[in-house]
Amino acid sequence: EIVLTQSPGTLSLSPGERASLSCRASQTISSNYFAWYQQKPGQSPRLLIYAGSTRATGVPDRFSGSGSATDFTLTISRLEPEDFAVYYCHQYSDSPRNSFGQGTKVEI
Amino acid sequence: EVQLLQSRAEVKKPGATVKISCKASGYSFSAYYIHWVRQAHGNGLEWMGLVDPEDGQAVYAEKFQGRVTISADMSAETADMELSGLKSEDAAVYYCAILAGHDFDYWGKGTLVTVSS
Repeated sequence: EIVLTQSPGTLSLSPGERASLSCRASQTISSNYFAWYQQKPGQSPRLLIYAGSTRATGVPDRFSGSGSATDFTLTISRLEPEDFAVYYCHQYSDSPRNSFGQGTKVEI
Repeated sequence: EVQLLQSRAEVKKPGATVKISCKASGYSFSAYYIHWVRQAHGNGLEWMGLVDPEDGQAVYAEKFQGRVTISADMSAETADMELSGLKSEDAAVYYCAILAGHDFDYWGKGTLVTVSS
């Protein structure tokens, strides 16, 4: 079973700043099977990035995904007020088994 | 419009079994696995398993093996998740979702399960 570990647990930033969120896998995975989600309170998760670096439809270009092997990063170039949320990494390289990271909260 | 409509909130006693349903519409039901993901209050997302609607084959996370059963009914375009031997730690919001690995990604609104004696 592939375990995903996200860091930091909480990121305290201001609007306009850059955010870098990390996700480390317990074994090498293909970036083609790696995604990032955003979740706001009371809402279902929303897909931001799939296949490691491809933005989902409607996702602003301030969001970007990168990485390979065991280390992956979600970067938000300039935080907007609506970006303050919890972010989860997700792997499906071990398909059909999937797993999620424990989340990083981006707060003001 | 793709929709995953989940059943209502449940209150169960410890040791009981809960069954949650997920009614799909707006796409070809057989084309995508249905996944189940849960989220305890204030916690992260936890993948539980999936079912292939085409043949009914299910795969489960190791943690839930022996306690969870996920099934699909092609005629009703519905997937069900049954969790037995409920404990207080099973109190959570349970989501069904299509996690297709690309832009076709949809989630239900979640079903709250409360476990209380």
